[in-house]
Amino acid sequence: EAQVTQNPRYLITVTGKKLTVTCSQNMNHEYMSWYRQDPGLGLRQIYYSMNVEVTDKGDVPEGYKVSRKEKRNFPLILESPSPNQTSLYFCASSLAGGSNEKLFFGSGTQLSVL
Amino acid sequence: ELKVEQNPLFLSMQEGKNYTIYCNYSTTSDRLYWYRQDPGKSLESLFVLLSNGAVKQEGRLMASLDTKARLSTLHITAAVHDLSATYFCAVGDMRFGAGTRLTVKP
Repeated sequence: EAQVTQNPRYLITVTGKKLTVTCSQNMNHEYMSWYRQDPGLGLRQIYYSMNVEVTDKGDVPEGYKVSRKEKRNFPLILESPSPNQTSLYFCASSLAGGSNEKLFFGSGTQLSVL
Repeated sequence: ELKVEQNPLFLSMQEGKNYTIYCNYSTTSDRLYWYRQDPGKSLESLFVLLSNGAVKQEGRLMASLDTKARLSTLHITAAVHDLSATYFCAVGDMRFGAGTRLTVKP
């Protein structure tokens, strides 16, 4: 089944404790991206990747890191999480960025930073 | 900077009624997407609109795009409870609006 898999679904952590949210897609998509969803703000893009080893900042990249060493994986890293990073996070992928293709979304990760 | 505005943000409607959700955006784009999100779930694609005048329909939902007016509409015909969800438009390189939370009541 074609899908975008995120883990974990729920995560509670404390300020300053490094964490990684994993994202994997099995559709051979070139484009992958991370969003955070906050009430009243819709989805805001954190980082995106047009292909392996190519990553770029989105609208709200501060406090986040990403890497794209393999085509299928695009982990989101919070080196030193803070409470303002408490949010619902979505990973998404599409065939190619800017190609008019729709995004396929993962099931989301609800992160709470205490 | 591209800004995307949806309205209304909240919509409560009765079954059987018609209504329209609006998506306005601030700079020229010929790509617009509509997504649906059920409570506690992820987003799924509804429509991809790629040209001025594009119209797409699926069941009780119809989406259109006017690139000159920088406006897309999502029209709901004879609403049913199953359409209750949050609807997002996204423009260009996936700049999302804030979403419209739709509740359809019997």
